[in-house]
Order: sequence, then C-alpha cells, then structure tokens
Amino acid sequence: DVKVTQSSRYLVKRTGEKVFLECVQDMDHENMFWYRQDPGLGLRLIYFSYDVKMKEKGDIPEGYSVSREKKERFSLILESASTNQTSMYLCASSILDVANNEQFFGPGTRLTVL
Amino acid sequence: QKEVEQDPGPLSVPEGAIVSLNCTYSNSAFQYFMWYRQYSRKGPELLMYTYSSGNKEDGRFTAQVDKSSKYISLFIRDSQPSDSATYLCAMSRNTGNQFYFGTGTSLTVIP
Repeated sequence: DVKVTQSSRYLVKRTGEKVFLECVQDMDHENMFWYRQDPGLGLRLIYFSYDVKMKEKGDIPEGYSVSREKKERFSLILESASTNQTSMYLCASSILDVANNEQFFGPGTRLTVL
Repeated sequence: QKEVEQDPGPLSVPEGAIVSLNCTYSNSAFQYFMWYRQYSRKGPELLMYTYSSGNKEDGRFTAQVDKSSKYISLFIRDSQPSDSATYLCAMSRNTGNQFYFGTGTSLTVIP
C-alpha cells in the first residue's frame, strides 16, 4: 500500500515564526503536491513537484516555499507564519503514468498560527 | 467563477437511502474526473475514477460524467452509516496535471 506520511498532525506556531511541514512517501512516486484545505474553499494547490529539485507554483504560492532534495520527501516552508495561514495542510503524491491519475494523500497537518 | 462548483451541504439521509452528489465545472478541457472520500481528521482517499464521459459502477457506488453539460455525479445506493464523510469531486486535463477540487459535500447517514 502507498503510504504518505506527514511529520505532525497538529502544530501551533506564533506569528512570524518559520514553519517546516515535512511529507514523505514510500512508493517512489515522481509527483508530489502540497494543498491547504479550508471550509468553503476546498483544497487549493500551493506547490507541486514533478522531480527532485523541481517545483512549480500552484494557485496560492504566496507566503510559501518548498524544497525537494530527495525523491521521497517534499517540504513546505512558511517563511514567516501569519494568522491567515491557519489551515489544514495536505500532502499528496502520484506516479508519473499516462494511465493512472490517482493522488494519494497523507493524513494532514492542522496548523494554527497565533 | 470557480473552476469546479460543488454544493457543500450538509446532506443528511436515513440508512438505506440513495444519495446523489453532484459537481459542475466550467473548463471543457477536463478529461479525468475523480471522487474522493474524506473521513473526519483524515486525508482524502480515491473512491471513483472516470475518464471522459459515461458511467462507472463499483459496488454501491456509480459515477456519471456528462461532458456536454459539464456535470458529474456520484450515486450511493443502500447508504450506510459508514458512508458518513465529506465527498470531494476532482478533475484534471491530463494525467499528472493539476487537480481542481470541489469544496466537498458533507454527508451523514443516520442509522
């Protein structure tokens, strides 16, 4: 079974802190994604990556950066956390395959910025 | 206008009812249509996956895609309390492309 793990289930940080959210997948997937999920807004794509050291902006990249130094790991960085970044953050991965379009999700990290 | 529209509900039905969940979209380039189920405090998991128009059935679940109307549906027959979850539609232009999600519909099946 594909497993996507996220470093923390719950995080509480203060405004201005630098925050690191880690995601690891164990199925050698090429693609990895970071979303945030908010009530009434659904899942919105922050960044994604198709390969090591490669990144692409999603719909809402402002205030975030990412790092993919190894294939299995994709990190989301909040350079200076703000209260409007309080949200559920979901990581996903998928295989690079023309016949397969499934994204596998981690359990999520609920981040609160005070 | 959002790429994908989904009624957030909440929807509450008695056990055994037929449930109909729907999404509309605006981008005619979408070819891949997915339904994800998300239990409380968990990540979404893929429930149904359809390419282009047509129907797909898997047990109690049927996914329908009508590309001419830009409308997709998920039907749940003989609904069970264990079906209580948030259902998210998602779609993409090609495999490996960005997914566009609906806001999710919260469903409760009452025993």
